[in-house]
Amino acid sequence: KAGVTQTPRYLIKTRGQQVTLSCSPISGHRSVSWYQQTPGQGLQFLFEYFSETQRNKGNFPGRFSGRQFSNSRSEMNVSTLELGDSALYLCASSLGTASTEAFFGQGTRLTVV
Amino acid sequence: AQSVTQLDSQVPVFEEAPVELRCNYSSSVSVYLFWYVQYPNQGLQLLLKYLSGSTLVKGINGFEAEFNKSQTSFHLRKPSVHISDTAEYFCAVSGGRDDKIIFGKGTRLHILP
Repeated sequence: KAGVTQTPRYLIKTRGQQVTLSCSPISGHRSVSWYQQTPGQGLQFLFEYFSETQRNKGNFPGRFSGRQFSNSRSEMNVSTLELGDSALYLCASSLGTASTEAFFGQGTRLTVV
Repeated sequence: AQSVTQLDSQVPVFEEAPVELRCNYSSSVSVYLFWYVQYPNQGLQLLLKYLSGSTLVKGINGFEAEFNKSQTSFHLRKPSVHISDTAEYFCAVSGGRDDKIIFGKGTRLHILP
């Protein structure tokens, strides 16, 4: 069974640009959650999607957005990039509800210059 | 709202010695509790989880944790560590079904030869 796949693994973007990250969950999983990991703040919850609907949302500005497709694949978008957006972005998938067990991808390392 | 405090940012321990990584949580509702491990340049992997039932939870790689409701703690233990246990460990809490998972800031476990 394939695990959670995140693409791309590494990205370098310039301030002011926008970026789209992709996450393919484990087959059959309907919940996808996104996290931002930085050395100073640790793992911070961005949002969770379940069956194409946003179910939970963290405390991030509106520049951070996401969506989920009918095949459960998810994308997150960050517009008007800032230097502080440099981080490891992790995606996690769950069979039903994220609160019982989440399986993580290897992450996308975003560097904003 | 739920929150998690990991009391130690780094824990050094000699190989084959026991280790305890401390975690305290706050929640106004029943909780689900988790410990995840992150190896360098990897995503997170679930070590163990407490959803209900027995307060002593056994996980993978010889780890176990005990849920203590009166002390709002969920400390992780291993009786004898190995060099391969070098990683960062994250305690996490969820307020229950359909709630998001909130992570602590992590504890780096350093195994000394």
